[in-house]
Amino acid sequence: KNEVEQSPQNLTAQEGEFITINCSYSVGISALHWLQQHPGGGIVSLFMLSSGKKKHGRLIATINIQEKHSSLHITASHPRDSAVYICAVRSTTYSGGGADGLTFGKGTHLIIQP
Amino acid sequence: EAGVTQFPSHSVIEKGQTVTLRCDPISGHDNLYWYRRVMGKEIKFLLHFVKESKQDESGMPNNRFLAERTGGTYSTLKVQPAELEDSGVYFCASSPSFLWGYTFGSGTRLTVV
Repeated sequence: KNEVEQSPQNLTAQEGEFITINCSYSVGISALHWLQQHPGGGIVSLFMLSSGKKKHGRLIATINIQEKHSSLHITASHPRDSAVYICAVRSTTYSGGGADGLTFGKGTHLIIQP
Repeated sequence: EAGVTQFPSHSVIEKGQTVTLRCDPISGHDNLYWYRRVMGKEIKFLLHFVKESKQDESGMPNNRFLAERTGGTYSTLKVQPAELEDSGVYFCASSPSFLWGYTFGSGTRLTVV
């Protein structure tokens, strides 16, 4: 079982819908990252969280440390939001991500249809 | 500020050949990471440099992979000899310290045929 689990794996929605992507992890963490990867493109860091909530434009990320769970929300979704969204954690103990590296989820493939 | 630059963006090589991937981190970022994503799998950590020193190379799959970061600036990742299972996208990321976020490069898509 992967230490970082994302759901759903695939999500297709209509333009304008409110999108939620979930991430659960099983290790103690010092930070959680939400990343975005466009087809054929590199990875863009969206948020780094250690507690609470962060907002940037139409994107909102929340984290519940006690429940070991984070969510990424997209409001008023648009076709340009179509991408793979990846959750990654920096754990407080060695967990295969290297002492200071990241352990990644498999990603959520989001398609927003016009 | 220039981002993290990786090249080549794509490489197709035959099994048994050698390939060298390069990563130029953001200037001043002491921490440099290599990650790899093989088809259908999650991204996996390969190794971590702090300046020119290998802080952690526990993710390197085997001794066919050699990473260097001479002078603490750019880094190279050499695969010699390449095998079919080495195909994937190799990402580099840099960070000024573990307290800060990461900046990723666009990745190098390696295909071994």
